[in-house]
Amino acid sequence: DTAVSQTPKYLVTQMGNDKSIKCEQNLGHDTMYWYKQDSKKFLKIMFSYNNKELIINETVPNRFSPKSPDKAHLNLHINSLELGDSAVYFCASSHLGRPETQYFGPGTRLLVL
Amino acid sequence: AQKVTQAQTEISVVEKEDVTLDCVYETRDTTYYLFWYKQPPSGELVFLIRRNSFDEQNEISGRYSWNFQKSTSSFNFTITASQVVDSAVYFCALSEAIRGGADGLTFGKGTHLIIQP
Repeated sequence: DTAVSQTPKYLVTQMGNDKSIKCEQNLGHDTMYWYKQDSKKFLKIMFSYNNKELIINETVPNRFSPKSPDKAHLNLHINSLELGDSAVYFCASSHLGRPETQYFGPGTRLLVL
Repeated sequence: AQKVTQAQTEISVVEKEDVTLDCVYETRDTTYYLFWYKQPPSGELVFLIRRNSFDEQNEISGRYSWNFQKSTSSFNFTITASQVVDSAVYFCALSEAIRGGADGLTFGKGTHLIIQP
C-alpha cells in the first residue's frame, strides 16, 4: 500500500490556468506538508497543515492555497499559473511532535507553458 | 533559523572508489533530527537515514555509513566501494523539534554524485 500518494504525476498546462494537485496519506498522520523543488533541485517547504489549521506559510504567493477536506488529504490549488511555478511539488505527512516520522509522496512534475 | 549546507555541488568518482558527502547544519534547538535522502534520476525522494540530536552513534548500513558529530555540527555520509547505481542527487535535511516539527524539513542544496564505470 502506498503511504503518501499524489495525483497527477505529471501536469502540463498553460499560463493563467488554475490547477490542483491532490495528496492522500494512509498513515494516520495528523500533519501534512507541501514542498517545492525548483529547476535547480532546491527543495523548500511551502505549507504545513494540522487539524485544519495552516501552521506555516513560507513566503508563498497567495495564488497557492492548501485545502484539506479531511485529515488524510491535503490538496494544493494554484490560481493564475505562471511560468515560474514550473517545478516538482512533493507532498509529505508526519505525526505532529514526531518529525522523524515524515514520509514523502512521489512528487508531481508541473510544467507551465 | 535552521540552515543546512552541502558545500559539494557535484562529485564525480570512478566506480569502486569511496566517497564522502559533507553536511553541516545550524540550529538553535537542542532537539532536532537529521536526515539523508537520495533522489535518483527518476525523481522520487528515497529516505536513507534519520538521526536525533541525542544519538551520536555512527551508523553503518551495507556500503553506507554516517558520521554524526555535534561538536562540528556535521552529519557526513560515506559510500564505500561506490557503484554506478549510486549516481543520484543526495540531500541532507534538518527538522527542529520546536513546534512539534511542524516547520517541516530544511534541506541542503544537494550534492550531485556521479559514479563513472
